[in-house]
Amino acid sequence: AQSVTQPDIHITVSEGASLELRCNYSYGATPYLFWYVQSPGQGLQLLLKYFSGDTLVQGIKGFEAEFKRSQSSFNLRKPSVHWSDAAEYFCAVGYNQGGKLIFGQGTELSVKP
Amino acid sequence: DAMVIQNPRYQVTQFGKPVTLSCSQTLNHNVMYWYQQKSSQAPKLLFHYYDKDFNNEADTPDNFQSRRPNTSFCFLDIRSPGLGDAAMYLCATSRSSSSYEQYFGPGTRLTVT
Repeated sequence: AQSVTQPDIHITVSEGASLELRCNYSYGATPYLFWYVQSPGQGLQLLLKYFSGDTLVQGIKGFEAEFKRSQSSFNLRKPSVHWSDAAEYFCAVGYNQGGKLIFGQGTELSVKP
Repeated sequence: DAMVIQNPRYQVTQFGKPVTLSCSQTLNHNVMYWYQQKSSQAPKLLFHYYDKDFNNEADTPDNFQSRRPNTSFCFLDIRSPGLGDAAMYLCATSRSSSSYEQYFGPGTRLTVT
């Protein structure tokens, strides 16, 4: 069965430091991969997506992610974190049942001054 | 700007008193989704519409119903809310059943007293 794992429930980084959020998926075919961000009390905003092609994808707000098929991973990175990046981050995979997504459990990011 | 709108943003209902949450979209997307998200958890898909074709997830309780009177609007009805139904309810849309990119509304926070 398809699944998405985000191993880190909570991460704290200092403002200005680099960030990497991990995501591993289990899916038989080439996956459609997404990262969403959710601020407290808000809906989900799409940060970036991977469908095919270049395995390094750029998103909004300075985020990027790299698809590594051999590791079944799609980790999210940002070179320098800002206090406004504090939020919940969800990795998701689209699977072949009509546009539906499976979400990981989320990683809560805290940013300390 | 094209968007997904959810009303109300906060809803308080009494135990057992029916409640309706609404979602509208100006994206003219074919597919609409309803998710339930409890605190510190991933969104859980309740059901979705491909145009007027209703698709219920196997584990969605019968207490939850939905209506989509036209392309733009979709409603979530909870017939007899229990304390366990307190959650954030997210509406999302996508262009078609083959498009996995979903656009989310801001959510409705439901409290059951």
